[in-house]
Amino acid sequence: GNSVTQMEGPVTLSEEAFLTINCTYTATGYPSLFWYVQYPGEGLQLLLKATKADDKGSNKGFEATYRKETTSFHLEKGSVQVSDSAVYFCALIPSFTGGGNKLTFGTGTQLKVEL
Amino acid sequence: DTGVSQNPRHKITKRGQNVTFRCDPISEHNRLYWYRQTLGQGPEFLTYFQNEAQLEKSRLLSDRFSAERPKGSFSTLEIQRTEQGDSAMYLCASSFGLGTDAFFGQGTRLTVV
Repeated sequence: GNSVTQMEGPVTLSEEAFLTINCTYTATGYPSLFWYVQYPGEGLQLLLKATKADDKGSNKGFEATYRKETTSFHLEKGSVQVSDSAVYFCALIPSFTGGGNKLTFGTGTQLKVEL
Repeated sequence: DTGVSQNPRHKITKRGQNVTFRCDPISEHNRLYWYRQTLGQGPEFLTYFQNEAQLEKSRLLSDRFSAERPKGSFSTLEIQRTEQGDSAMYLCASSFGLGTDAFFGQGTRLTVV
């Protein structure tokens, strides 16, 4: 079946540090890949996405590249801020959905950024 | 448009009681999804509607769970005879159609005591 594996958290960084959150997936074909972010007390927000191999999704200084050869979609940011503290979820939609677009999520990685 | 709206935000109920949650999607979004998120886990798919038709249900959705979307607008999720294992965040999302992004509500946190 389809699955997403994320690095366990929490990840604690100092402000302006470099961030990497690893994500690998298992799926047949070419799934679409997503990163969602959940701030405290809020719902999930789409952060970025990539729909085909070698695509790079980017938003708000975050970026992730769809790597088919390593089945990975790692999230990176060059300089994190305290306001980036949140839980980050990697997710996929399989390429053959049978009409549905349901997301399969990883377990989430909590990021804490300190001054 | 204020986005996907879910009510109530929090619900505490005694074991064995029935509860109902409501989701108002973004207007004109014809697809509506329900997910469940337990502590420390990612959201898991429960069911989805295209307009008023319920097109898929997860095996997670036991007989005690029922979802409706009358007239293809808002949706309700009812849990009968709640159990402590039902304690979770219930998330609703909507999208305009196949291949478009899903927007999530803030969720309803259910605690069964």
